[in-house]
Amino acid sequence: GIQVEQSPPDLILQEGANSTLRCNFSDSVNNLQWFHQNPWGQLINLFYIPSGTKQNGRLSATTVATERYSLLYISSSQTTDSGVYFCAASGSNYQLIWGAGTKLIIKP
Amino acid sequence: NAGVTQTPKFRILKIGQSMTLQCTQDMNHNYMYWYRQDPGMGLKLIYYSVGAGITDKGEVPNGYNVSRSTTEDFPLRLELAAPSQTSVYFCASSYSMQGARGYTFGSGTRLTVV
Repeated sequence: GIQVEQSPPDLILQEGANSTLRCNFSDSVNNLQWFHQNPWGQLINLFYIPSGTKQNGRLSATTVATERYSLLYISSSQTTDSGVYFCAASGSNYQLIWGAGTKLIIKP
Repeated sequence: NAGVTQTPKFRILKIGQSMTLQCTQDMNHNYMYWYRQDPGMGLKLIYYSVGAGITDKGEVPNGYNVSRSTTEDFPLRLELAAPSQTSVYFCASSYSMQGARGYTFGSGTRLTVV
């Protein structure tokens, strides 16, 4: 089945900095999602992006399906961006396989 | 507009006990899911449902059972609880299996088996 790897595992930044989170997947996918889990455990769906580029405010994501990776960009980080960012992907069975996440800490 | 509601939020079970985690959604989504999240890890799919009366196994179904008698409700049953089932459980729903319109998650149930 599909394997999903995320890097870096941890990232500590000052408020206002920009960051790039990476997700590598091992096979072709029909579904690629980015999620944010806040420090209280709540999960929010950020992007559905099996290919191409999307933007939502200070967040944007790009998936290069032919090279089997996706990037999540966070610009002008705020303390509320802290938490764990997960990438999840699925193939023909549509069952999402989740990466281990990138833990992001934004310091004021 | 409640979204996905899970109960209880916390529970401690003794080894061998059974319990049901409740999940209800009010968005008329056909697709519902149960995940577990172990410390420092991503979520793993336990069971999913594509509509009332239809359920299927995910990645880690052993020790669990589900039912889907209505569109709104998707309870998860733990029989003969074991310490390995200590985890945080999330219920989710979506408009489509591919999740093109996104997924909505409940707030989670933290379960400890002692």
